[in-house]
Amino acid sequence: KAGVTQTPRYLIKTRGQQVTLSCSPISGHRSVSWYQQTPGQGLQFLFEYFSETQRNKGNFPGRFSGRQFSNSRSEMNVSTLELGDSALYLCASSLAGPSTGELFFGEGSRLTVL
Amino acid sequence: GENVEQHPSTLSVQEGDSAVIKCTYSDSASNYFPWYKQELGKGPQLIIDIRSNVGEKKDQRIAVTLNKTAKHFSLHITETQPEDSAVYFCAASKNSNTGKLIFGQGTTLQVKP
Repeated sequence: KAGVTQTPRYLIKTRGQQVTLSCSPISGHRSVSWYQQTPGQGLQFLFEYFSETQRNKGNFPGRFSGRQFSNSRSEMNVSTLELGDSALYLCASSLAGPSTGELFFGEGSRLTVL
Repeated sequence: GENVEQHPSTLSVQEGDSAVIKCTYSDSASNYFPWYKQELGKGPQLIIDIRSNVGEKKDQRIAVTLNKTAKHFSLHITETQPEDSAVYFCAASKNSNTGKLIFGQGTTLQVKP
């Protein structure tokens, strides 16, 4: 069974640009969550999508947005990039059923903003 | 707001010794407490979790304890091995069906052979 796939794995952008990151969840998983990981702030929740609807949202500015498609694949977008957006962006999928809360993480997309 | 404090930030032990990592949460409504292990270059991976109706859970060399009154929970690793070296994160959630986890800052565990 394939794991969570994130693309691209690495990317470099400059301030003011925008970026789109993609996440393909484990087959059958309907929930996709996004986290930002930095050395200073650790792992911070961005948002969660379930059946194409945003179910939860963290405390990030509106420059951070996401969406989920009917096949459960998800994308997140960051507009008007700032230096502080440099981070590892992790996607996690889960069954979102009542019997399990386990999140399965991808290896992340490492974004560097110059 | 929701917050999870994790200590220590770094931990170095000799192979075969035990390691203990402690976390404290602020939101008394939290009812699900997973622990994740992150190896270099990889995403976090669940190693054990506990729900608020259970005080202790064990899986081979790993155990987790929960004290709801004090709002803290701990990870215990016995007979540590070099492959246990990684960053460990505790987390808390109000609902185990959601993807919203509040993570601690992480503990870098080094097991010396």
